[in-house]
Amino acid sequence: GDSVTQMEGPVTLSEEAFLTINCTYTATGYPSLFWYVQYPGEGLQLLLKATKADDKGSNKGFEATYRKETTSFHLEKGSVQVSDSAVYFCALSEPGGYQKVTFGTGTKLQVIP
Amino acid sequence: NAGVTQTPKFQVLKTGQSMTLQCAQDMNHEYMSWYRQDPGMGLRLIHYSVGAGITDQGEVPNGYNVSRSTTEDFPLRLLSAAPSQTSVYFCASSQGGVYGYTFGSGTRLTVV
Repeated sequence: GDSVTQMEGPVTLSEEAFLTINCTYTATGYPSLFWYVQYPGEGLQLLLKATKADDKGSNKGFEATYRKETTSFHLEKGSVQVSDSAVYFCALSEPGGYQKVTFGTGTKLQVIP
Repeated sequence: NAGVTQTPKFQVLKTGQSMTLQCAQDMNHEYMSWYRQDPGMGLRLIHYSVGAGITDQGEVPNGYNVSRSTTEDFPLRLLSAAPSQTSVYFCASSQGGVYGYTFGSGTRLTVV
């Protein structure tokens, strides 16, 4: 079955540091890939997505590239802010109508001033 | 604002009580799902719906019922609450797999 593996957290960075959160996946088809962010006490919000190989999703300074050859979708940001402190979830969904979403276990990011 | 609305935000139940968690979306999405989020377990799918009148079980359906009489509403019923159902519950909706999900803000449920 499909699966998503994320790096263990928590990740603690100083403000303006470079962020990478690793995500790899296994899937039977050609899935769409997503990053969601969850701020404390809130629901998940879609951060960015990519639907085919070599696509780059981007939003709010975050980027991730769909790498089919390495089955990866790593999240990056060049300069993190305290307001980026949250839990980040990598996820995939197979194409075609309703498909169950497979989530990673989440990576907590803490940015200190 | 358009989105997914969940009520209540917080609830405390006694073991054996029943209750309904409400979920409504105003985006005309076909697909709706209920998840529970527990520390160290990530998100687990309870039930989902692919349209009005059509529901199916997810990974952890025991102890929960759902119905979908309209496109907008997808309530989750706890039949006889147990301490193991203490969790944060999220409702989500989507137009389809490539679009991603819109989540509600969650219901934090404690069963004592």
